[in-house]
Amino acid sequence: GENVEQHPSTLSVQEGDSAVIKCTYSDSASNYFPWYKQELGKRPQLIIDIRSNVGEKKDQRIAVTLNKTAKHFSLHITETQPEDSAVYFCAASDGGGFKTIFGAGTRLFVKA
Amino acid sequence: DADVTQTPRNRITKTGKRIMLECSQTKGHDRMYWYRQDPGLGLRLIYYSFDVKDINKGEISDGYSVSRQAQAKFSLSLESAIPNQTALYFCATSDSGADERYFGPGTRLTVT
Repeated sequence: GENVEQHPSTLSVQEGDSAVIKCTYSDSASNYFPWYKQELGKRPQLIIDIRSNVGEKKDQRIAVTLNKTAKHFSLHITETQPEDSAVYFCAASDGGGFKTIFGAGTRLFVKA
Repeated sequence: DADVTQTPRNRITKTGKRIMLECSQTKGHDRMYWYRQDPGLGLRLIYYSFDVKDINKGEISDGYSVSRQAQAKFSLSLESAIPNQTALYFCATSDSGADERYFGPGTRLTVT
């Protein structure tokens, strides 16, 4: 079946360093790629998303890149801060909210 | 603020018991979802509903059933709970044709 692979499962960085999380999807029909952040004990919340007609999108310290040919997309966090510590989920959707497949999640630790 | 709420937030039950998890939303969204979160497995879709008369199975529906009592209410039932249904359960909503999921706070269920 369709799936989304996410790596790494755990990532530890020093405060101020950059963090990169990578995802690969299998469904060629996917055209919407959101990233959700889940802080400890909290609900997942959307932090950034990208559609297939765009290769890169930035929002302050976070950015997402998409390579549709290779079916890869990545989350980049620059100048990491302790409050970036959380579990991050990527997802791939066929658009219109019909089918969304989540990755297994990456637990990011930012050490002060 | 419009929100998604879940009751109970925590529940411990015994094998073989029937249990119902409830979800309510004030966002006015037509679409509602039930997800299960397990460590290392991400968010997996159990059931989803695009309106009051629409119920669809997700990727892991065995052992679960749902009821959409109204646009704002979507409940998940475990008819005969088993230990491997121990997990964190999230309800989510989305607007028609939109991709972003709005998650509830989660219900931590333990089956002993």
